[in-house]
Amino acid sequence: QKEVEQNSGPLSVPEGAIASLNCTYSDRGSQSFFWYRQYSGKSPELIMFIYSNGDKEDGRFTAQLNKASQYVSLLIRDSQPSDSATYLCAVNLNSGGGADGLTFGKGTHLIIQP
Amino acid sequence: SAVISQKPSRDICQRGTSLTIQCQVDSQVTMMFWYRQQPGQSLTLIATANQGSEATYESGFVIDKFPISRPNLTFSTLTVSNMSPEDSSIYLCSVDQGLGVAQYFGPGTRLLVL
Repeated sequence: QKEVEQNSGPLSVPEGAIASLNCTYSDRGSQSFFWYRQYSGKSPELIMFIYSNGDKEDGRFTAQLNKASQYVSLLIRDSQPSDSATYLCAVNLNSGGGADGLTFGKGTHLIIQP
Repeated sequence: SAVISQKPSRDICQRGTSLTIQCQVDSQVTMMFWYRQQPGQSLTLIATANQGSEATYESGFVIDKFPISRPNLTFSTLTVSNMSPEDSSIYLCSVDQGLGVAQYFGPGTRLLVL
């Protein structure tokens, strides 16, 4: 059974600091990994996806993947109060031309303190 | 990314009735998915909707309870049948635009069953 684990938080980070969000997954066959941000009362919004081991950077966000350890993380640099939200980690068994439903973690509630 | 709309945005229903939720995309997409997000919880995949074939349901979800239609490449419906208060949830559709890119979510339908 596919499982995705996240610390539910809340994770409190001072404004301007780096927020580090972590996620582990159970299925070694997982191929693609996603981070979504969800504000209260809103639908999930894609932040980043990563397929290969290592780091992937996009602006203030960096996703890190370690398939051997079955671990994926999201770093948010120069955290802003607007980054306060629930961050959902999601995993997909397929990559490339395939498509499959996503398995989500329960999410980490991030609070950026002004 | 595709623009996704859902109708209705919210509804209050009586137990024992059924509600059909519509999902419309502004471009043709290969795969559409339906998720449920119960209060305070993360997202759970209900089914994958393929155009021209029957939907594929996840464990714990059955066609009699959640019939799905996918008449073309831009539209899908999810019906929540014979509703009970336990069906109170947010129902979200998502689309995968192929080539292994990530899924994007519609705004969701908030359902309250009394």
